[in-house]
Amino acid sequence: DIQLTQSPSFLSASVGDRVTISCRASEGISSYLAWYQQKPGKAPRLLIYAASTLQSGVPSRFSGGGSGTEFTLTISSLQPEDFATYYCQQLNTFPTFGPGTKVDIK
Amino acid sequence: EVQLVESGGGLVQPGGSLGLSCAASGFTFSNYWMSWVRQAPGKGLEWVANIKEDGSEMYNVDSVKGRFTISRDNSRKSLYLQMNSLRAEDTAVYYCARVSQNFLWPTHYYYMDVWGQGTTVTVSS
Repeated sequence: DIQLTQSPSFLSASVGDRVTISCRASEGISSYLAWYQQKPGKAPRLLIYAASTLQSGVPSRFSGGGSGTEFTLTISSLQPEDFATYYCQQLNTFPTFGPGTKVDIK
Repeated sequence: EVQLVESGGGLVQPGGSLGLSCAASGFTFSNYWMSWVRQAPGKGLEWVANIKEDGSEMYNVDSVKGRFTISRDNSRKSLYLQMNSLRAEDTAVYYCARVSQNFLWPTHYYYMDVWGQGTTVTVSS
């Protein structure tokens, strides 16, 4: 099975900060990677798929990059509504999710 | 409005059974793979099972093999998860999700773009 790790596990940031979350796959997955945002008590929300394609309706301050085994999710200017937990997911084989990165208010 | 609504969660004893349903609306259900994803209390997301558009192919995570069965009824626009031999570790919020695809040359990319609100399953004596 393909394993995903995320770093950091927890991130404390301020409104307006640039934030980058990393996701590493245990083997190459080309660009078969998606990113989701989840707020407490809510379902996940798709942000990015194919590693860097922004889902319709998602603000342009979100961007994704990488391929193979190393991926990033960047929020260019953190907004109050962005405080949440972020998960990467690989879809190269049966889907697996990373453990999540919680973004909290500094 | 594109929507998925789960139902059927509840409290069940270890070794018991429970059936979940997911009602789809606002899109052509029969055109999409569908998934079940679960989240244990305070934990991350775990994919549970997938089913092809016509129900001819089904896949699930090793931890539920032989116990959980995914199925669908396209005439009813509904997705199901039959859970047998339930264990305490199956306690979670269960989400159904639509699997969409987009062709970005030279390949198709898949992603879960529509999610239900979740239904809670608690396995406890």
